[in-house]
Amino acid sequence: EVQLVQSGAEVKKSGESLKISCKGSGYTFTTFWIAWVRQMPGKGLEWMGIIYPDTSDARYNPSFQGQVTISVDKSISTAYLQWSSLKASDTAMYYCATRSKSILFGAFDIWGQGTMVAVSS
Amino acid sequence: SYELTQPPSVSVSPGQTARITCSGDALSKLYTYWYQQKPGQAPVLLIYKDSERPSGIPERFSGSSSGTTVTLTISGAQAEDEADYYCQSADSNGPLYVFGTGTKVTVL
Repeated sequence: EVQLVQSGAEVKKSGESLKISCKGSGYTFTTFWIAWVRQMPGKGLEWMGIIYPDTSDARYNPSFQGQVTISVDKSISTAYLQWSSLKASDTAMYYCATRSKSILFGAFDIWGQGTMVAVSS
Repeated sequence: SYELTQPPSVSVSPGQTARITCSGDALSKLYTYWYQQKPGQAPVLLIYKDSERPSGIPERFSGSSSGTTVTLTISGAQAEDEADYYCQSADSNGPLYVFGTGTKVTVL
């Protein structure tokens, strides 16, 4: 079964750093780009950025450029999203997502279960 | 960057047809994708490339495109279709991926 499994919920304070993970299984991890998507409480989906696991080529939504870093360790089939200094406004659910077939280019049919990040000021 | 605009809410009676629109200047040139998200769950891909359905998605979900507006149609809505729905496009020349503003569908 193709799946993405994310790390558990986090409770942090403003100014702290954080790295959350997304582990792929059931498919060749390096084949398809992996995206990160933010969903603030009661709000919609926002695409943050995307990374190609084979080369670590990362692209960012301009709104998130410089605010987060997306990385990958293909040896353990895991993608990461990290912050160097969290803000209260980073409180949100974060999803990783990818696609399982080439024909689904542009779409995400495989999603992680989400990682809730709560940041207190 | 560009925006994709959806109506905030749509109501439909059980068994009737619901239509959710997604508008954006770039949509005449780009494919659109649709997702369903139920409370506490990750999004699920319903439609890709404007009108294609992934395997396992019920036939009552269909997509269409006309100019800068795309439409997700739920034919014969069921109580289980009550959820948030998001359109999404992908542009290799822009911010790559954009989600619509989202539409809450109520079946009552």
